[in-house]
Amino acid sequence: DGGITQSPKYLFRKEGQNVTLSCEQNLNHDAMYWYRQDPGQGLRLIYYSQIVNDFQKGDIAEGYSVSREKKESFPLTVTSAQKNPTAFYLCASSIGTSPLHFGNGTRLTVT
Amino acid sequence: AQSVTQPDIHITVSEGASLELRCNYSYGATPYLFWYVQSPGQGLQLLLKYFSGDTLVQGIKGFEAEFKRSQSSFNLRKPSVHWSDAAEYFCAVGAGNNDMRFGAGTRLTVKP
Repeated sequence: DGGITQSPKYLFRKEGQNVTLSCEQNLNHDAMYWYRQDPGQGLRLIYYSQIVNDFQKGDIAEGYSVSREKKESFPLTVTSAQKNPTAFYLCASSIGTSPLHFGNGTRLTVT
Repeated sequence: AQSVTQPDIHITVSEGASLELRCNYSYGATPYLFWYVQSPGQGLQLLLKYFSGDTLVQGIKGFEAEFKRSQSSFNLRKPSVHWSDAAEYFCAVGAGNNDMRFGAGTRLTVKP
């Protein structure tokens, strides 16, 4: 079955370390997205990519970086510059005007 | 600026009772409108969407929503709630997928 795989499900890091979250899709979707979810808040867009080798900043890109070297993959790096990195991170994809299709998320805890 | 408001943070209903979750939005034109559901620790699943046409849209799991332009609302309804409907529900609006705005969510608890 096609879908989006986010790994790992839980991730723990020490403050000051960069960490990379994986997102892989086999839906043949062109566009991919990263969202951050905090308790009591809606999802906020970090970065998105509409085609390979191109990506755009979302509303809260500071302290994050991405790459899109393959259509299937859109990894997110949370850098040490991100002041409050502990959150639930969701990856999504879409094709054309279809609604967003989400992965099951990665919960990142930084101490 | 576009925004989405879900006025109810938490709602409790009895199993078998009807449900209405509220969503109000602020947007320059008629946006695309969505309702998603999220179980704890999971991603979001699309319940239904409105792009144009009939203002009453049917979704999965027996849910429906009605777009009311005059009230800038897109409320989600279900005639009879099941225990498995307990989850968090998000309303989202936007002109495209890179332009989506999500509400803060409404957590639904279902009493036996």
